[in-house]
Amino acid sequence: EAAVTQSPRNKVAVTGGKVTLSCNQTNNHNNMYWYRQDTGHGLRLIHYSYGAGSTEKGDIPDGYKASRPSQENFSLILELATPSQTSVYFCASGGGPGERLFFGHGTKLSVL
Amino acid sequence: GDSVTQTEGQVALSEEDFLTIHCNYSASGYPTLFWYVQYPGEGPQLLFRASRDKEKGSSRGFEATYDKGTTSFHLRKASVQESDSAVYYCALSDTGYQNFYFGKGTSLTVIP
Repeated sequence: EAAVTQSPRNKVAVTGGKVTLSCNQTNNHNNMYWYRQDTGHGLRLIHYSYGAGSTEKGDIPDGYKASRPSQENFSLILELATPSQTSVYFCASGGGPGERLFFGHGTKLSVL
Repeated sequence: GDSVTQTEGQVALSEEDFLTIHCNYSASGYPTLFWYVQYPGEGPQLLFRASRDKEKGSSRGFEATYDKGTTSFHLRKASVQESDSAVYYCALSDTGYQNFYFGKGTSLTVIP
């Protein structure tokens, strides 16, 4: 079974601080995604990547950066965290158009 | 742009009731359609998918039929169990841009 691992599982950050969420996949998938999940909004796409060195903006990229240094790793970076970024973040990987996504277990982020 | 609409935000049923969760989509061409299920504390996982008009996807007693005419992919189950309590997401993957679009999710609670 394909594996996507996120770290940390829980994170408490202070307003204005820098936060990095990490994601590792062992599926050898080209595509990776970062979503945030909020009540009433479902899953919203923040950034995605088609391969090492590439990052693309999703539907809600403001306040977030992404980094894809290798096929396996995809990070989400909050340079100046704000309370509105308190959420659960999910990383996913996928093989391409029409292929399923495999999700990690999520990172619960609280910005105080 | 592409989008997915789930009508029901929350559904409460008794065991052995019939379940319908409505999903309509907007996309060009022939997207692949998915149903995902998410249990508490976990990431979404694939329930099943369909990629052609009139194709039926099914798993664990759940089923949905791809209907290009009505742009729908409604989830149904004849007799729900308490263990089916979860959040259900309808999603589509377009053929061109390799992006995934999720509905806002439907929280199903089955009362024993």
